[in-house]
Amino acid sequence: KQEVTQIPAALSVPEGENLVLNCSFTDSAIYNLQWFRQDPGKGLTSLLLIQSSQREQTSGRLNASLDKSSGRSTLYIAASQPGDSATYLCAVRGYSTLTFGKGTMLLVSP
Amino acid sequence: NAGVTQTPKFRVLKTGQSMTLLCAQDMNHEYMYWYRQDPGMGLRLIHYSVGEGTTAKGEVPDGYNVSRLKKQNFLLGLESAAPSQTSVYFCASSYPGTSLIPETQYFGPGTRLLVL
Repeated sequence: KQEVTQIPAALSVPEGENLVLNCSFTDSAIYNLQWFRQDPGKGLTSLLLIQSSQREQTSGRLNASLDKSSGRSTLYIAASQPGDSATYLCAVRGYSTLTFGKGTMLLVSP
Repeated sequence: NAGVTQTPKFRVLKTGQSMTLLCAQDMNHEYMYWYRQDPGMGLRLIHYSVGEGTTAKGEVPDGYNVSRLKKQNFLLGLESAAPSQTSVYFCASSYPGTSLIPETQYFGPGTRLLVL
């Protein structure tokens, strides 16, 4: 059974810092890996999707990397802003469904 | 487009009562999903559907039933609610992925359910 772990569970940083969120998974037989953002009381919004054959994806200040063989992914956020405060979820796609991690709660203070 | 909508937004039930959560999507997506999100547990898949008239069990299906009579709607039913079903329920929908265009799930805003 696939298990997805996210570290740290919570992170508090001052505005402007660069930061890294970590995601690890136990079964490397995945089709892709996604990073989602969830604001309090809201649904999930997809940020980045990395295919199993890819090493990284970038969108604006976000960069996600994937090392499938070691079962690891990182989400790098450059020059963090208070508007980045949210919970970030990592999810891996197996044969038919997504398996989610428990998320990292990020707080960026002005 | 409204995207994925969920009804109701919030509901309080007594143990043993029944209810149906409605998910609707206007993106003509084939696939639809029901998840529950609990503190410290992350999102877990309850049931999913890969097309009208089809359903399949996910990771935590016990105590729930689903129906997909119309392509745009996916209903989640609780026949006899239990306090353990207190949770936030999310619906999602997507197109099937291809080798060129991977599947991306679009999520609704969630339904908060409290079972007393």
